[in-house]
Amino acid sequence: AQSVSQHNHHVILSEAASLELGCNYSYGGTVNLFWYVQYPGQHLQLLLKYFSGDPLVKGIKGFEAEFIKSKFSFNLRKPSVQWSDTAEYFCAASAYSGAGSYQLTFGKGTKLSVIP
Amino acid sequence: ETGVTQSPTHLIKTRGQQVTLRCSSQSGHNTVSWYQQALGQGPQFIFQYYREEENGRGNFPPRFSGLQFPNYSSELNVNALELDDSALYLCASSLDSPGGNEKLFFGSGTQLSVL
Repeated sequence: AQSVSQHNHHVILSEAASLELGCNYSYGGTVNLFWYVQYPGQHLQLLLKYFSGDPLVKGIKGFEAEFIKSKFSFNLRKPSVQWSDTAEYFCAASAYSGAGSYQLTFGKGTKLSVIP
Repeated sequence: ETGVTQSPTHLIKTRGQQVTLRCSSQSGHNTVSWYQQALGQGPQFIFQYYREEENGRGNFPPRFSGLQFPNYSSELNVNALELDDSALYLCASSLDSPGGNEKLFFGSGTQLSVL
C-alpha cells in the first residue's frame, strides 16, 4: 500500500525566512503528487501538483515543489514566507489502484506558523 | 468558497447508530470522493463515485457505503457506528473523469462525534 510521510509536524518561522517542507512517498509505480493547503477557517485547496514533465512545479502564492524520483520526494519550498502563509500543509500522492480507479493518499500534515 | 457544500456541519451520535452525511458537488462536477480525517491526521480516502458508480474504495469496512445521485450530489452512510468513527468527514468533487491527477475541490466537512 502506498504511504506519504511528512517530516515535520509543526514548523515555526519568522517572516521573510525560507521554507522547505519535506514529503516522501512510498510507491514503486507512476504517481501524481500534490500539495494541498488549509488556511485557518477555510477549506482544503490545491497549492500545486505534479504528474509529468518538468520536475520543478510552481504553484499559487510563490510556492514551488521539486519531484525527485530517485529520492521518492516532493518537497515544498518558498523563498520568503509571509504571515498569511500560516496554515496546515498536506502532501498527497495518487496512484492507480486497479479497475480504472486511483487512490489519493495524504500525509499527516505540517502546521506552519509564521511570526510577524 | 469552493462550491462544495456539506450537511450537517456537526453531528453527535451514539455507538451502534446509523448516520447519513450529505454533499452537494460544485456545479458541473461529476466525480465525488469522501475522506475521513481523524484528529491530528491527514484525510484518509474512503471511496469515490463517478457518474453514480463507485469507482474506487479505500481500506474501510462495508458498513461505510455511499450513493451518488443523477445531479451528482452524494451521501455517505455509516452503519453500526463505533467510537473510532469520530472524525471530520470531507467531501471533494472534481470536474474531470478520474485519472489520478485531477484537482479536488473540498467542502468544509461534517464533524461526527460518536459517544
